[in-house]
Amino acid sequence: KQEVTQIPAALSVPEGENLVLNCSFTDSAIYNLQWFRQDPGKGLTSLLLIQSSQREQTSGRLNASLDKSSGRSTLYIAASQPGDSATYLCAVSSGANNLFFGTGTRLTVIP
Amino acid sequence: NAGVTQTPKFRILKIGQSMTLQCAQDMNHNYMYWYRQDPGMGLKLIYYSVGAGITDKGEVPNGYNVSRSTTEDFPLRLELAAPSQTSVYFCASSYDRGSYNSPLHFGNGTRLTVT
Repeated sequence: KQEVTQIPAALSVPEGENLVLNCSFTDSAIYNLQWFRQDPGKGLTSLLLIQSSQREQTSGRLNASLDKSSGRSTLYIAASQPGDSATYLCAVSSGANNLFFGTGTRLTVIP
Repeated sequence: NAGVTQTPKFRILKIGQSMTLQCAQDMNHNYMYWYRQDPGMGLKLIYYSVGAGITDKGEVPNGYNVSRSTTEDFPLRLELAAPSQTSVYFCASSYDRGSYNSPLHFGNGTRLTVT
């Protein structure tokens, strides 16, 4: 069964710092990997989706990479802002009908 | 754009009661999902649907039922509520071929407490 791990569970950084969030998964037979953002009391918002054949995806200040063979993905956030404070979750797809989620990294950006 | 709408936002049930969590999407998505999120745990798939009239079990289906009579609506039914069903429930939808090529869109969740 696919297991998804995100470390650290929580991270605090000063505003303006660049940061990296990590995600690892146990089964490299994936179709894609998605990064989501979750604000308190809200649902998840999709940030980036990387197909298994891709190495990275970029959206604004966000860059996600995928190394399928080693079972790892990173989410790079450039020039962090207080509005980036949220929980970030990664999820891997091993089929059309399920995503396996990590437990998330809670990010706090300190003004 | 409404996206995925879930009702109610909060609910308290007594053990043994039943209820239906409502989910509607206005994006004409074929695929719809129900997840539960427990503290310190990743989201777990309860049921999913690939189109009207077609549903299937996910990872944790026991104690739940679903139906999909229209493309827009995907209600989740809890029968004989138990404390173990205390959780936050999320409905999600996606456009094409499930999660292969299209990201999931989530509702804001229903926080359910069973006492």
